[in-house]
Amino acid sequence: VQLVESGGGLVQPGKSLKLSCSASGFTFSSYGMHWIRQAPGKGLDWVAYISSSSGTVYADAVKGRFTISRDNAKNTLYLQLNSLKSEDTAIYYCARSGTYGYWGQGVMVTVSS
Amino acid sequence: DVVLTQTPPTLSATIGQSVSISCRSSQSLLHSNGNTYLNWLLQRPGQPPQLLIYLVSRLESGVPNRFSGSGSGTDFTLKISGVEAEDLGVYYCVQSTHAPNTFGAGTKLELK
Repeated sequence: VQLVESGGGLVQPGKSLKLSCSASGFTFSSYGMHWIRQAPGKGLDWVAYISSSSGTVYADAVKGRFTISRDNAKNTLYLQLNSLKSEDTAIYYCARSGTYGYWGQGVMVTVSS
Repeated sequence: DVVLTQTPPTLSATIGQSVSISCRSSQSLLHSNGNTYLNWLLQRPGQPPQLLIYLVSRLESGVPNRFSGSGSGTDFTLKISGVEAEDLGVYYCVQSTHAPNTFGAGTKLELK
């Protein structure tokens, strides 16, 4: 199992960014997937979940601003981040649902002017 | 949302010492299907978290058996029987019984 995030970077407040998580080594379409973030020096913060049938759940802090989606043909998970705030600055991890046994290495998102 | 309260926030240990970390939930984590979805993760500096224990007490493959988990309902414990240097880092409990999933604030294990 391998999960590789990409798409992070430095972005101004109010702008948008789209993260990707490329999955391999398992049947991607059969699993729900999570996005979890970690602000610098802080703990883990669950962000969003998408089921194998594309049902979604969001944390209150990102509801209405972030959108989780998936493309099973490309074995890829996405997170669209809109109306970014400084408090969204964090490492963003994708993780496979189930036991939280598989995580990517994470991608840094920095929101700053 | 379910709140997971981990104690202590910091733990100082010597090599070989046995230690325990508590995770208390604001609601029962017993799912209607009979499973309790409470897991323990370890995050070493600069690394993503890794799974140690799932379903309260099941040891993830490849994890040393000095790690053990116990508990039920709202009270859970991770025990390390004989700390080794590689065990240093931050330990998190995470629940996936209820949506949204939630993490504890973490317990940092340091060398005394």
